[in-house]
Amino acid sequence: AQSVTQLDSQVPVFEEAPVELRCNYSSSVSVYLFWYVQYPNQGLQLLLKYLSGSTLVKGINGFEAEFNKSQTSFHLRKPSVHISDTAEYFCAVTYSSPGSSNTGKLIFGQGTTLQVKP
Amino acid sequence: DGGITQSPKYLFRKEGQNVTLSCEQNLNHDAMYWYRQDPGQGLRLIYYSQIVNDFQKGDIAEGYSVSREKKESFPLTVTSAQKNPTAFYLCASSIDRGYTEAFFGQGTRLTVV
Repeated sequence: AQSVTQLDSQVPVFEEAPVELRCNYSSSVSVYLFWYVQYPNQGLQLLLKYLSGSTLVKGINGFEAEFNKSQTSFHLRKPSVHISDTAEYFCAVTYSSPGSSNTGKLIFGQGTTLQVKP
Repeated sequence: DGGITQSPKYLFRKEGQNVTLSCEQNLNHDAMYWYRQDPGQGLRLIYYSQIVNDFQKGDIAEGYSVSREKKESFPLTVTSAQKNPTAFYLCASSIDRGYTEAFFGQGTRLTVV
């Protein structure tokens, strides 16, 4: 079964420090990968996505992620965080195999709360 | 502006009552989804619909029902059979079942007392 594991439930970091939020997925087939951000009592906003091509993906707000197929990982990074980056971050995956019964189902990790301190 | 509108933002109901959450989109998307969010559990798929008049159960469909009579609307009913309905509910849509990108509404927080 397809699953996503976010390895840290909370990540505290000081303002202007770098941060990495870790995500691993389990799948034996090709996947699409996503990172979403959620501010309190809000919906989810897409940060970035990997569909194919370059393994380094750049997104909004200065975030980037690297797809590593051999390690089945898709870690999110930012070189210098701001207070406004405090939010919950979700990694998600879906199948990219046409005809699969799971195509079209977005599977989410449990979320990582990023706490940026002044 | 194009987007997904969920209403109401906050909803209170007495235990044993059915309640319907609204989700409307004007993005002309074929696929729509309902997720439930609980602290520390991420988002879990309740139901999804890839075309009008068709929908499929997700991972936690028990106690919920949906309809898709119009392309732009995908209401979710939380029935009295749902044992723990208090949660944050999110509606999403995507262009088609390929699901290359999902757009989310702002959510409805349901509290059952």
